[in-house]
Amino acid sequence: QLVESGGGVVQPGGSLRLSCAASGFTVGRYGMHWVRQAPGKGLEWVALIWHDGSNQFYADFVKGRFTISRDNFKSTLDLELTSLRDEDTAVYFCARVANGYTNYDLWGQGTQVTVSS
Amino acid sequence: SNVLTQPPSVSVAPGKTATITCGGDNIATTSVHWYRQRPGQAPVLVIFYDSARPSGIPERISGSKSGNTATLTISEVEAGDEADYYCQVWDSITNHYFFGTGTKVSVL
Repeated sequence: QLVESGGGVVQPGGSLRLSCAASGFTVGRYGMHWVRQAPGKGLEWVALIWHDGSNQFYADFVKGRFTISRDNFKSTLDLELTSLRDEDTAVYFCARVANGYTNYDLWGQGTQVTVSS
Repeated sequence: SNVLTQPPSVSVAPGKTATITCGGDNIATTSVHWYRQRPGQAPVLVIFYDSARPSGIPERISGSKSGNTATLTISEVEAGDEADYYCQVWDSITNHYFFGTGTKVSVL
């Protein structure tokens, strides 16, 4: 399973670090992603880190503000959020994609991030 | 462009068939995956690689593709099918992932 944590309320311009704890599978066999969902809106891909951590990719709207990282020994995935804006308010999900595949086969329940003054 | 367009809503009577489309410029040359998201829950994969069903997904849920349009079909609709459905693709050039705009299925 995947369990997110670290969400909360932060002021515009602030920072937050989200974490995702994985269990029950070998994390090194999966690319790991963050996907977000603003209130009442659809799913939006945020970032991807390869199974071995060698590459990271970000949605265009991130513009250098977020950093994805992983620790395969601890089976954890992180997302550092900086320079937060009102429009970053969303539920942030972590999700996995098996190596060689392009679909998500497991999602966490999400953690709420609210950017508000 | 990787904009994936879905109808905002589909209404269907119990026992009938719901059809959800996903249109995009590159769909003909990429694989499409579909997810169901019930209120307050995480998405669940229902179709992958255009038409494959994960274990536990009933045969009355199927996927297909023709040209630049992918289609999710739910036959013999039940109350439990009421949810939001999203298509998803991967861009092999940028390694970015994209979701459709989402379709809310309502069972009358």
